[in-house]
Amino acid sequence: AQSVTQLDSQVPVFEEAPVELRCNYSSSVSVYLFWYVQYPNQGLQLLLKYLSGSTLVKGINGFEAEFNKSQTSFHLRKPSVHISDTAEYFCAVSEGRAGANNLFFGTGTRLTVIP
Amino acid sequence: NAGVMQNPRHLVRRRGQEARLRCSPMKGHSHVYWYRQLPEEGLKFMVYLQKENIIDESGMPKERFSAEFPKEGPSILRIQQVVRGDSAAYFCASSPSVHEQYFGPGTRLTVT
Repeated sequence: AQSVTQLDSQVPVFEEAPVELRCNYSSSVSVYLFWYVQYPNQGLQLLLKYLSGSTLVKGINGFEAEFNKSQTSFHLRKPSVHISDTAEYFCAVSEGRAGANNLFFGTGTRLTVIP
Repeated sequence: NAGVMQNPRHLVRRRGQEARLRCSPMKGHSHVYWYRQLPEEGLKFMVYLQKENIIDESGMPKERFSAEFPKEGPSILRIQQVVRGDSAAYFCASSPSVHEQYFGPGTRLTVT
């Protein structure tokens, strides 16, 4: 089974500062990678995904992530955060094979943007 | 195109009662997934269904939990004889194909 590690459970950052949320996964097979954002009392919204191709993936709200196969990482970055980015962020992985559709999630990173 | 709909949004049940959670996928989506989120944790996969078929139920507890996705109507996650440990947020996701899941707002179940 896959496992996803988000080392930082909480990340406080000042408004307009850059941020990086870390995600590492364990897998011996090819994977698909995702970042989701969850606002309080809401469902998850897809920020971006990596399926194949370019290892630098751009998503919504100015976020991007880079797939690093050798380090089995998929860190999420934003060059300048806004107050509205305060939310819980989840990294997820699914196996890149037919029939393996379910997602394995990390425990989440709570991003708090400080005015 | 309406998003994934779940109801109820909040559900309170006493220990021993049954909980029925409903999920209407996005129009045109034939894949439905159920996940459970315990407090301060990430989502854990429970079950993956296509119309009238359970494809993968490897994350479902062996007892008291069942899921269906009938030909007509929403997908249902049913929990019989609920216990306090079942208190969680239950999320449904739907997909038109593999690798792109759209999540509903969740049902927050509280067992008293």
